[in-house]
Amino acid sequence: DIVMTQSPDSLTVSLGERATINCKSSQSVLYSSNNKNYLGWFQQKPGQPPKLLIYWASTRESGVPDRFSGSGSGTDFTLTINSLQAEDVAVYYCQQYYSPPLTFGGGTKVEIK
Amino acid sequence: QVQLQESGPGLVKPSQTLSLTCAVSGASIDSGSYYWAWNRQPAGKGLEWIGRIHTTGTTNYNPSLKSRVTISLDTSKNQFSLKLTSMTAADTAVYYCVREGTSGRWGQGTLVTVSS
Repeated sequence: DIVMTQSPDSLTVSLGERATINCKSSQSVLYSSNNKNYLGWFQQKPGQPPKLLIYWASTRESGVPDRFSGSGSGTDFTLTINSLQAEDVAVYYCQQYYSPPLTFGGGTKVEIK
Repeated sequence: QVQLQESGPGLVKPSQTLSLTCAVSGASIDSGSYYWAWNRQPAGKGLEWIGRIHTTGTTNYNPSLKSRVTISLDTSKNQFSLKLTSMTAADTAVYYCVREGTSGRWGQGTLVTVSS
């Protein structure tokens, strides 16, 4: 299984500041034949199901604000939330879909300072 | 707009089999090239992928659950199902049905408690 490790477990950020979440996979999730990273980011607010924010490591899902951005390749990835808003308080998960079983990181809780 | 809705018992006794159904609206489960999956989340914990079925009928299961899991499609009702046998307290969780991939969609989830 591919192990996904997220850091930090939690972070507290002031409104309008930047939040950065890291995700590391135990093996590369870059598929060489199409040069795509099989990595997604999800946002989960309390009492709600996860919502897909980013796929292919850096492509925003339709309707996702552009303050959310994903970067990285191979085994190291980052989710950046620029200008944090109150509605961004949530737990964020990365997931690899390179090979089954699909696996999630442990989650990063983002709170407002 | 694709919507998914889980249904099934909220309470299951130990050793029994859990059966959940996911009704899909706004899309046909046998069109396109999608995986239809089940994930779960124990209270206060992270997400676990249970398994999935492709529109072609191909399945993949989490090895940690493989001996107990069956996922199937019912194209006549536009729904897919999860069966998990030999339930224990460790299987208590919110169960989500999911359309994987780009434009992924999750159901609202259904809480399943295993208790006698």
